[in-house]
Amino acid sequence: KQEVTQIPAALSVPEGENLVLNCSFTDSAIYNLQWFRQDPGKGLTSLLLIQSSQREQTSGRLNASLDKSSGRSTLYIAASQPGDSATYLCAVRVTGANNLFFGTGTRLTVIP
Amino acid sequence: GAGVSQSPSNKVTEKGKDVELRCDPISGHTALYWYRQRLGQGLEFLIYFQGNSAPDKSGLPSDRFSAERTGESVSTLTIQRTQQEDSAVYLCASSRGATDTQYFGPGTRLTVL
Repeated sequence: KQEVTQIPAALSVPEGENLVLNCSFTDSAIYNLQWFRQDPGKGLTSLLLIQSSQREQTSGRLNASLDKSSGRSTLYIAASQPGDSATYLCAVRVTGANNLFFGTGTRLTVIP
Repeated sequence: GAGVSQSPSNKVTEKGKDVELRCDPISGHTALYWYRQRLGQGLEFLIYFQGNSAPDKSGLPSDRFSAERTGESVSTLTIQRTQQEDSAVYLCASSRGATDTQYFGPGTRLTVL
């Protein structure tokens, strides 16, 4: 069974800092990997989706990388803002499966 | 619609009662998913619909859980004889196709007393 781990579980940074969130997965036979943010009381918002054939995806201040062979992905957030405070979830779709396997998330706090 | 919607947003019930949770996916999305998120834990997959069929029910935790989808649109998740361990946020997601980006609703927070 695919296991997805996110480290650290929580992170606090001052506004303006660049930061990296980590995600690792045990089964490299993935179809794609998706990063979400979750705000309290709200659903998940999709940030970036990386197909297994891709190495990275960028959207604004966000950059996600994928190293399938080592079972790792990182989410880089540039020039962090207080509005970036949320829980960030990494989710993997395994080849041949229908669902996403989620990590337990990293709770990010950006201090003004 | 503009996004995935779910109702109710909150549900408090007594142990042993049945509950129904509703999901309205994005119009035109053929794939629909139910997940559960217990406090402090990651999301657990429950069931996947392609159209009105559920080819993957592998995540349903017991036979007290069932779901249906009609008109390739609305889905209902039913939990019979609720137990305290059923307390969680139940999230619904839809996608255009089975391998496309999943878009999530705001969830239903279920509390079983």
